[in-house]
Amino acid sequence: DTEVTQTPKHLVMGMTNKKSLKCEQHMGHRAMYWYKQKAKKPPELMFVYSYEKLSINESVPSRFSPECPNSSLLNLHLHALQPEDSALYLCASSPLGLTSGNTIYFGEGSWLTVV
Amino acid sequence: GESVGLHLPTLSVQEGDNSIINCAYSNSASDYFIWYKQESGKGPQFIIDIRSNMDKRQGQRVTVLLNKTVKHLSLQIAATQPGDSAVYFCADPSGGGADGLTFGKGTHLIIQP
Repeated sequence: DTEVTQTPKHLVMGMTNKKSLKCEQHMGHRAMYWYKQKAKKPPELMFVYSYEKLSINESVPSRFSPECPNSSLLNLHLHALQPEDSALYLCASSPLGLTSGNTIYFGEGSWLTVV
Repeated sequence: GESVGLHLPTLSVQEGDNSIINCAYSNSASDYFIWYKQESGKGPQFIIDIRSNMDKRQGQRVTVLLNKTVKHLSLQIAATQPGDSAVYFCADPSGGGADGLTFGKGTHLIIQP
């Protein structure tokens, strides 16, 4: 099983709303990631969690708040977003970091539209 | 700065022909590369990977070639099928550790009937 599950698949939210994106994997991976992908662009790294601890925040605005409740779950809390935050948000996991031979597995993504 | 990049944004091939997608990298310390396929509306899907101690690796209908001298790798898809239509990214975890992948710009492969 190489599955990373993301919910919801589509989300429309207003700029004053609070919502969350959820991600789950049961592969025993200890590194989990959030990426943002705009149309016709490659995915861009947002956050990295290693052993449930935030290890990398790529200067992401505070209106995005990640949370890793346990080794299988990763959330992205959204608050006061802007229309330009509309994008595909991808969750991914890997066995442990990205030393040679560790592949990242991606979920199908959550399409976010901010209105 | 360090980067992973693709030569062509769009590649159009006839169904049944072979496709070659190229990727250049600039980090001499990079020792592992991954190719992903992303179909419209879906997340990136792992295709094949290669380590720097190899020049070539083959999968099912796909071959990746690595030329460390010129810092170039390519993905070859044999007998291209309509289902191969997608954007293809090369990716490089050159930083090591849990620091995420660096993706190239992507090549959109279009299959002509």
